[in-house]
Amino acid sequence: AQSVSQHNHHVILSEAASLELGCNYSYGGTVNLFWYVQYPGQHLQLLLKYFSGDPLVKGIKGFEAEFIKSKFSFNLRKPSVQWSDTAEYFCAVSASYNFNKFYFGSGTKLNVKP
Amino acid sequence: DAGVTQSPTHLIKTRGQQVTLRCSPKSGHDTVSWYQQALGQGPQFIFQYYEEEERQRGNFPDRFSGHQFPNYSSELNVNALLLGDSALYLCASRESGDSYEQYFGPGTRLTVT
Repeated sequence: AQSVSQHNHHVILSEAASLELGCNYSYGGTVNLFWYVQYPGQHLQLLLKYFSGDPLVKGIKGFEAEFIKSKFSFNLRKPSVQWSDTAEYFCAVSASYNFNKFYFGSGTKLNVKP
Repeated sequence: DAGVTQSPTHLIKTRGQQVTLRCSPKSGHDTVSWYQQALGQGPQFIFQYYEEEERQRGNFPDRFSGHQFPNYSSELNVNALLLGDSALYLCASRESGDSYEQYFGPGTRLTVT
């Protein structure tokens, strides 16, 4: 079975600091990869997705993620965080042949101090 | 254009009872999936419905069942509730021919006492 690990459970940054959230998955086949964000009091929203092609994908609000196949990783980055980025971030993976079934990591809570 | 909607928002039930949660998918979407998100964890896949049939299922017991109606809306039923069923239940929808993107609803918070 597939699994997703997010090693950073809680991250605290000051505004303008750079962000990198780790995501590793376990699955031997071809995968689709996602980052979702959940702002306080809101529902899950898609930040970015990777299906194939360029391993560096850009999402909304200045976020990007890099797929490194050899490391089974899909880390999320942002050069300069803002207070409004305070939220919980979830990495998710699905097998390319079975995109209906998502496996989520346990999430990383990001707290950006103004 | 309304997104995914779920009802009720919150629900409190007693152990052993049964509960039904409802989901209306985003307009144009015909595939609905249900997830359980326990406190401090990521969502876990329960099952997925398409064309009024359960197409896939995660590692959940038969106490969890569902239904999809001709208008694509869906219900999640949980029988013989346990304390461990307390969680946020999320509904996600997508268009069957779409590029894999699921849209999530706000969830129903179920508390079992």
